[in-house]
Amino acid sequence: NAGVTQTPKFQVLKTGQSMTLQCAQDMNHEYMSWYRQDPGMGLRLIHYSVGAGITDQGEVPNGYNVSRSTTEDFPLRLLSAAPSQTSVYFCASSPRTSGRPYEQYFGPGTRLTVT
Amino acid sequence: GENVEQHPSTLSVQEGDSAVIKCTYSDSASNYFPWYKQELGKGPQLIIDIRSNVGEKKDQRIAVTLNKTAKHFSLHITETQPEDSAVYFCAAGRPGGGGNKLTFGTGTQLKVEL
Repeated sequence: NAGVTQTPKFQVLKTGQSMTLQCAQDMNHEYMSWYRQDPGMGLRLIHYSVGAGITDQGEVPNGYNVSRSTTEDFPLRLLSAAPSQTSVYFCASSPRTSGRPYEQYFGPGTRLTVT
Repeated sequence: GENVEQHPSTLSVQEGDSAVIKCTYSDSASNYFPWYKQELGKGPQLIIDIRSNVGEKKDQRIAVTLNKTAKHFSLHITETQPEDSAVYFCAAGRPGGGGNKLTFGTGTQLKVEL
C-alpha cells in the first residue's frame, strides 16, 4: 500500500492563479481531510469528507474548494491564490470503523508559496 | 469550538533524560486525545492516543496521562534518544462525528542532545 499520496511536493503560484492539490489514498478509508500547517499555529482543518459525495467545511475553509467523487481521491482547489495561502498542506485519511478507528494517516505534504 | 494549547514550544533535553509536553483543551465534550510526531519534511504520525475513560496509557518509553476534570493531558518520553528529536503535536476530538475531526495544539520542537 502506498498509503496517502500528495502531488505536487512543491508549488509556486502568483497571486490570482488557481491550482489543484491532489490527494489519494489506497486504504479504502471513508474519511479524508485537508489541513494547513503554519509556523506557530499547528495544523488547522480546511475541509473534510465523510464519504464519496459528502464534504463539509473545517476551521479555515475560505478560498478553498473540495469535492469527493471517489473514495480514493480528495483534491483541494485554490480558486484565486493569495499570499496568505502560503503554507504546507497535508491531506489525511482515517477509517470510520474497527481497528484503530480514529487514527489519521497523513500524506507527506505539499509546500505552497504564493508570490 | 475546541481550543488546544500546548507547552512548551521548544524543549531541549540531554540524551537519556525525560521529556514532558503538556496540553490543555477547552471543550468538555472532547473524548479522544492523540499525540502525533512529525519528522522534518514528513507528515505527522500517530504515536499514542488516549480515550477519556482512561487516566494513563503507556507504550514502551512513551506514556500519556489525562486529567478530565482539569482538562489537561501530557506526553511523557523517558530515556530519550536522538531519534526522538522531532515536532510533537497534541490534539483533541470527538471521534465518529464529522469525519474524526481533530483540533491540534501548536506543536513542541523536541531536541535531544548527545
